[in-house]
Amino acid sequence: ETGVTQTPRHLVMGMTNKKSLKCEQHLGHNAMYWYKQSAKKPLELMFVYSLEERVENNSVPSRFSPECPNSSHLFLHLHTLQPEDSALYLCASSQYGDRGHAEAFFGQGTRLTVV
Amino acid sequence: AQKITQTQPGMFVQEKEAVTLDCTYDTSDQSYGLFWYKQPSSGEMIFLIYQGSYDEQNATEGRYSLNFQKARKSANLVISASQLGDSAMYFCAMRVSGEAAGNNRKLIWGLGTSLAVNP
Repeated sequence: ETGVTQTPRHLVMGMTNKKSLKCEQHLGHNAMYWYKQSAKKPLELMFVYSLEERVENNSVPSRFSPECPNSSHLFLHLHTLQPEDSALYLCASSQYGDRGHAEAFFGQGTRLTVV
Repeated sequence: AQKITQTQPGMFVQEKEAVTLDCTYDTSDQSYGLFWYKQPSSGEMIFLIYQGSYDEQNATEGRYSLNFQKARKSANLVISASQLGDSAMYFCAMRVSGEAAGNNRKLIWGLGTSLAVNP
């Protein structure tokens, strides 16, 4: 069982659809993250949740709506997306504020295509 | 400005040889951390190695070592005895100190280097 699990692995959706990405971590971490990875761009941090509270929102459009019901689960709700939102969406977790570096552990990502 | 630069879009190495992947960084922080991650075609980002700005010795983890040159602001990854399974994208990232103590969540990422290991 991998430490961070993301579902689905692949998603194709129309611009008028509503879908959700799911992330689950089994590492006992207290922080979870959503990243967007687009071709030829650095990894973009979208949201950070620490102890189930959103602590960072990096100017992400409102068509992306995160939800963190508990420290092990993180969702990204999607609605009325644009073709430029097509990307690999990565979830990560770490132990926030604990050790000096506290590396993040990532899931395998959801490859999203908006048509 | 805080930035990570990886100047090698693609690299090739012969199996069993060593390879160095370049990473330079820019920050005015005195306290920072540098990470290397590997991303195979499956998509998962795999943590490889970490170097803290105050660490006096270069970090090593198995076949991975980090050539940390603070004055030059470089943190190159050295992979020894390359294996076919090392073929992947490699990302350098920097953790910058946040406004509050323990704010260790923000990573600045480079664009990555694609490494191909030839048999």
